[in-house]
Amino acid sequence: LAKTTQPISMDSYEGQEVNITCSHNNIATNDYITWYQQFPSQGPRFIIQGYKTKVTNEVASLFIPADRKSSTLSLPRVSLSDTAVYYCLVAVNYGGSQGNLIFGKGTKLSVKP
Amino acid sequence: DSGVTQTPKHLITATGQRVTLRCSPRSGDLSVYWYQQSLDQGLQFLIQYYNGEERAKGNILERFSAQQFPDLHSELNLSSLELGDSALYFCASSEQSGGESDTQYFGPGTRLTVL
Repeated sequence: LAKTTQPISMDSYEGQEVNITCSHNNIATNDYITWYQQFPSQGPRFIIQGYKTKVTNEVASLFIPADRKSSTLSLPRVSLSDTAVYYCLVAVNYGGSQGNLIFGKGTKLSVKP
Repeated sequence: DSGVTQTPKHLITATGQRVTLRCSPRSGDLSVYWYQQSLDQGLQFLIQYYNGEERAKGNILERFSAQQFPDLHSELNLSSLELGDSALYFCASSEQSGGESDTQYFGPGTRLTVL
């Protein structure tokens, strides 16, 4: 059964760069990798999405190696408000009765002052 | 605010009962997704509808069913409820039918407690 693997938790300090890696060995050739952020008692919120190499937006960067079996979410200069749970999402054989969207178990990031 | 609404916010019921959760997608979004989030299982994809038709099915139990109506709102029906069904149920919507390649916008969730 396909799955994704992320560290359960990470600690950081304000102003540091944080890198969270997700492994997804069974990702399909055409599937994207997406990262979401979730605060307590809220629904997940989209951060960034990529297919290969590197993607950057105003809040994060996403690094994907050539084999695409893992991805790394990079948060530059984190602040206290970045304390949240971060999930990677990949699809496996999506569509029809056997497809699935696989969320990792999430990485709880704690940013300290 | 993502623009996705879910009702009710909280629901408490007893084992064996049936409940209906409702979701209204963002204006213009054609896809609706349902997820179950529990402490031990994390976020589990249940099912996706696109423009009224079932698009993909994940780990949805046979006791659960969903539908998307012509106005694009969706309902998730949970029957013969068990204690283990207690969880947060999220609805998400996206513009197209792409599933994993579409940005999903999540609602605030419905917290279901089965006693």
